[in-house]
Amino acid sequence: DARVTQTPRHKVTEMGQEVTMRCQPILGHNTVFWYRQTMMQGLELLAYFRNRAPLDDSGMPKDRFSAEMPDATLATLKIQPSEPRDSAVYFCASGLQGMGNSPLHFGNGTRLTVT
Amino acid sequence: RKEVEQDPGPFNVPEGATVAFNCTYSNSASQSFFWYRQDCRKEPKLLMSVYSSGNEDGRFTAQLNRASQYISLLIRDSKLSDSATYLCVVNRDLYNNNDMRFGAGTRLTVKP
Repeated sequence: DARVTQTPRHKVTEMGQEVTMRCQPILGHNTVFWYRQTMMQGLELLAYFRNRAPLDDSGMPKDRFSAEMPDATLATLKIQPSEPRDSAVYFCASGLQGMGNSPLHFGNGTRLTVT
Repeated sequence: RKEVEQDPGPFNVPEGATVAFNCTYSNSASQSFFWYRQDCRKEPKLLMSVYSSGNEDGRFTAQLNRASQYISLLIRDSKLSDSATYLCVVNRDLYNNNDMRFGAGTRLTVKP
C-alpha cells in the first residue's frame, strides 16, 4: 500500500533555530503539496509543486519559509528562523496532475513545537 | 466568508444512528468534490469522492447539489469507529488537483 512518508514525526525546537521537514511522495505522483494545520486556521496550503517545479507558494511566509524538491522522491520544507507561531502540524500530500478528480494522499505529518 | 463552509459540530450520536453533514461552497466553478476523514492527531484520509449523480459506499452516501452549491455526507448505522472529523474538499480545477479547498471539518462522536 503506497504511502506518503514524512520525517520527522515530531520536532521540538527553540525559537530562532532552523527546522527542516522532509517528504517522500508516492512513487509516480507528480504533484506535491505542503499544508499546515492548526486548530484556529484548519488546513492551509503553503506550497505546491508539479513535476518538481514550484508553482504556487503564495501561502507561505517568504521571509522565513522555503520549499524545494531536489528530486522526484524528496520534497523539503524549511523554516529559518523558526518562531513560536510556526507551531503546527505540517502535512505533505501527493497526487496526479492532469486528473482533476484525483484525490490527494497525505503523509502522517510533522508535529512542530517551537518554544 | 470562507469558500468552503461546514458546520463544525460536534455531532454526538448513539451507535446505530443515522447522521448527515452538509458542506456549502461559494465558487460555482468548482469541479470535483471529496469527503476526507481525519482522526485525532492523524492525517486526513480520503473517505470518498462525490459524483454528480450521488454515490454510495457501504454505510456512506454522498450527494452533490450543484444548483445550491452544497455536498452532503450521510452515515447510516453509525459505529463507534466512525468518530472522527469529516472534511469537505472542493477542487476548482478540472484538470489539476492544485486548487483543493478544505473545509474546517465537522466533528462526529458516536457513543455506545
